[in-house]
Amino acid sequence: NAGVTQTPKFRVLKTGQSMTLLCAQDMNHEYMYWYRQDPGMGLRLIHYSVGEGTTAKGEVPDGYNVSRLKKQNFLLGLESAAPSQTSVYFCASSYTGSRALRTQYFGPGTRLLVL
Amino acid sequence: DQQVKQNSPSLSVQEGRISILNCDYTNSMFDYFLWYKKYPAEGPTFLISISSIKDKNEDGRFTVFLNKSAKHLSLHIVPSQPGDSAVYFCAASASNYGGSQGNLIFGKGTKLSVKP
Repeated sequence: NAGVTQTPKFRVLKTGQSMTLLCAQDMNHEYMYWYRQDPGMGLRLIHYSVGEGTTAKGEVPDGYNVSRLKKQNFLLGLESAAPSQTSVYFCASSYTGSRALRTQYFGPGTRLLVL
Repeated sequence: DQQVKQNSPSLSVQEGRISILNCDYTNSMFDYFLWYKKYPAEGPTFLISISSIKDKNEDGRFTVFLNKSAKHLSLHIVPSQPGDSAVYFCAASASNYGGSQGNLIFGKGTKLSVKP
């Protein structure tokens, strides 16, 4: 049982390049989330999904797109990377139902550097 | 405007003593609160939570206290151990808040150092 995994662990991009971050979970969770964490900041929600085929915007969605084609996977895309998107990206997942069940479980993070 | 505030960026405590981490919130609609612990180069891990219908929740060495009137919660770690050294994030959610599905709002974190 791997929990939440993220690919890649680290990536360097040039401004304007595109990339996709992959999140996978094997806990059969309905909800999945993408966050970014910047130095001295808490985690900020980028996008989330409450089920396969559905996505919604979070607090800081601009410059990102997401897709949830399969229940276990949640993809985060950067179409044209900017230096302001240099950050550590965390994926999380949770069950649906009561709030106690909706405790979020996080992946190890992807460190992205945009030059 | 920050809805969840952790005003102490860092805290240093001696091993065996009590660690108290504080968190304030501004949104009165928040009704569920969580603490996450994060080691360097790892993702946050869930530590303990509390619903607004309670004022205290304990799990081993960890106790969370909630003061709704003051919009304040605190995490007590007793006794503190060197392995507790990490960044602690406070998070809050509201049952029905703009269709957010109870999404979490995180504070900026407090770095706890427990010295042997």
